Amino acid sequence: QKEVEQDPGPLSVPEGAIVSLNCTYSNSAFQYFMWYRQYSRKGPELLMYTYSSGNKEDGRFTAQVDKSSKYICLFIRDSQPSDSATYLCAMTDDYKLSFGAGTTVTVRA
Amino acid sequence: DTAVSQTPKYLVTQMGNDKSIKCEQNLGHDTMYWYKQDSKKFLKIMFSYNNKELIINETVPNRFSPKSPDKAHLNLHINSLELGDSAVYFCASSPRVAPGNTIYFGEGSWLTVV
Repeated sequence: QKEVEQDPGPLSVPEGAIVSLNCTYSNSAFQYFMWYRQYSRKGPELLMYTYSSGNKEDGRFTAQVDKSSKYICLFIRDSQPSDSATYLCAMTDDYKLSFGAGTTVTVRA
Repeated sequence: DTAVSQTPKYLVTQMGNDKSIKCEQNLGHDTMYWYKQDSKKFLKIMFSYNNKELIINETVPNRFSPKSPDKAHLNLHINSLELGDSAVYFCASSPRVAPGNTIYFGEGSWLTVV
């Protein structure tokens, strides 16, 4: 079993829909949680960063962490075609990141 | 003025060849990494250097040899290439070795071994 589980999708939604992405993990020591966005043929770029449990909001993006359930999620509100990308969750308790497999999202105009 | 730049972006080579991928970061970071992304998009760390010193060396065949001439550069040399080495290799950097570091990735090098 992988340390971080993420459904690879693909996920296809109409423009304006709410996109919901999630990851589960097994290592209870993880304290730092991130979401990276990766466009086709590009490197991952940091989208959201959360320390420990709780919610964080940045514009149309909301990240939630529930350490008791070992579950994190990312919501994208009012999704746009430009949000079409692969979203990777990542987490760590030190400086070595463990990544999920990534969920490929397509937002249809 | 790309923050983390790696060359070449695309590389097609035959089995058995030796090849290198170069990486440079202009962010002033102390720590650099090599990650491998397989066909299923799974990203896995291979190596990490902090101020030219190797600090992470995951279970990677010894055909892969990183080299850091200074803290702004981390190159990856691969000997005797095999079909299974085909993947995307990402160079990355972070300010320092610290818990929860933000990691900045390059654009990737697509390696195809035929």
